[in-house]
Amino acid sequence: QLVESGGAVVQPGGSLRLSCEASGFTFDDFAMHWVRQAPGRGLEWVSLITWSGSDIYYADSVKGRFTISRDNTKNSLSLQMNSLTTEDSALYYCARGSPHFMDVWGKGTTVTVSS
Amino acid sequence: EVVLTQSPATLSLSPGERATLSCRASQSIGKYLAWYQQKPGQAPRLLIDDASTRATGIPARFSGGGSGTDFTLTISGLEPEDFAVYYCQQRYKWPPFTFGGGTKVEIK
Repeated sequence: QLVESGGAVVQPGGSLRLSCEASGFTFDDFAMHWVRQAPGRGLEWVSLITWSGSDIYYADSVKGRFTISRDNTKNSLSLQMNSLTTEDSALYYCARGSPHFMDVWGKGTTVTVSS
Repeated sequence: EVVLTQSPATLSLSPGERATLSCRASQSIGKYLAWYQQKPGQAPRLLIDDASTRATGIPARFSGGGSGTDFTLTISGLEPEDFAVYYCQQRYKWPPFTFGGGTKVEIK
């Protein structure tokens, strides 16, 4: 099971940190993804972190602004989001990587960037 | 970036009918394609990976096929719970992992 939290309403230019708590599987056996979905839109991959955290990848749309990290001792995944724009408004899902497909998804947490 | 184009955008069918969804890649991606189902208000669910392998717990009425640039998801006999939006996703050339725009299967 994956449970996201941290979504909120934030002003343009602001920052937000999302979290994802994992349970029911051996967290450090799996890569983890963040995927987002703007209202009424399709799915957009955001970021991937390998099981150890040694390799990290981002979509061009968030590179340099978002930082993914994980704490395997706490079975948790994070996404630090800076310099937010209205284009970042979306439902953010964390998903378990298998490793490059997403086989377990959380319910998501909503980020709204608005003045 | 590999662009995935799904067609049709909407498929109107009756329960019991066969649904055939298409996903076309902008370049050859081997068999590195997955299909997901998303119902309103729910997270996506993995149905098929590597073009034709059903994920754990997925009913046999869901089948995937294709390779290279052309892929299909077939639902042989739509059940009421199958009316949803379906997305394809490639893992051949990344980052980024890319998704298609989705096909909505609606009740006729």
